[in-house]
Amino acid sequence: AQSVSQHNHHVILSEAASLELGCNYSYGGTVNLFWYVQYPGQHLQLLLKYFSGDPLVKGIKGFEAEFIKSKFSFNLRKPSVQWSDTAEYFCAVNEERDDKIIFGKGTRLHILP
Amino acid sequence: DVKVTQSSRYLVKRTGEKVFLECVQDMDHENMFWYRQDPGLGLRLIYFSYDVKMKEKGDIPEGYSVSREKKERFSLILESASTNQTSMYLCASSLSSITGELFFGEGSRLTVL
Repeated sequence: AQSVSQHNHHVILSEAASLELGCNYSYGGTVNLFWYVQYPGQHLQLLLKYFSGDPLVKGIKGFEAEFIKSKFSFNLRKPSVQWSDTAEYFCAVNEERDDKIIFGKGTRLHILP
Repeated sequence: DVKVTQSSRYLVKRTGEKVFLECVQDMDHENMFWYRQDPGLGLRLIYFSYDVKMKEKGDIPEGYSVSREKKERFSLILESASTNQTSMYLCASSLSSITGELFFGEGSRLTVL
């Protein structure tokens, strides 16, 4: 069965630091990849997604992610974080032509002002 | 604006009670999902539905059932609630597996005593 691994459970950074959150998946076929964010007290929302094409995808609020097929990875990055980026971040994957979307365990990001 | 509405934000039930969690989407989406969210475990898929009266088991279907009689409504049923079902339950919908993006409701926090 497919699975998603997020390496960091809790990350603490200062404002303006650079961010990289790791995500690896287990399925060897064609996949669609997502990052979702949950700000405190809010519902989950899509940050960015990769379906095909350019492996470097850009999302909202200055986030980007790079799909590296050979490493089964889809890491999330942001060059300079802000206090408002404090949230929980979830990587998700679904196999092409499958409606089932599987999530990782999440990474809690805490930005110090 | 897209909207997924979960009927109850907070519920407290006793062990053995039958529990219904309702979810309605107003976007004419094909797919609907029920996840549970627990600290440190991320989102785990309970059931999903890709069409009216169609359902598929997710990763943790035991102790749950679902109903989708109309396209816009997807219900999660706990036939006999147990304390280990205390959790945050999230409903989501997506247009199709091709587009992939999930739209989430606010969540229903269930406590089973």
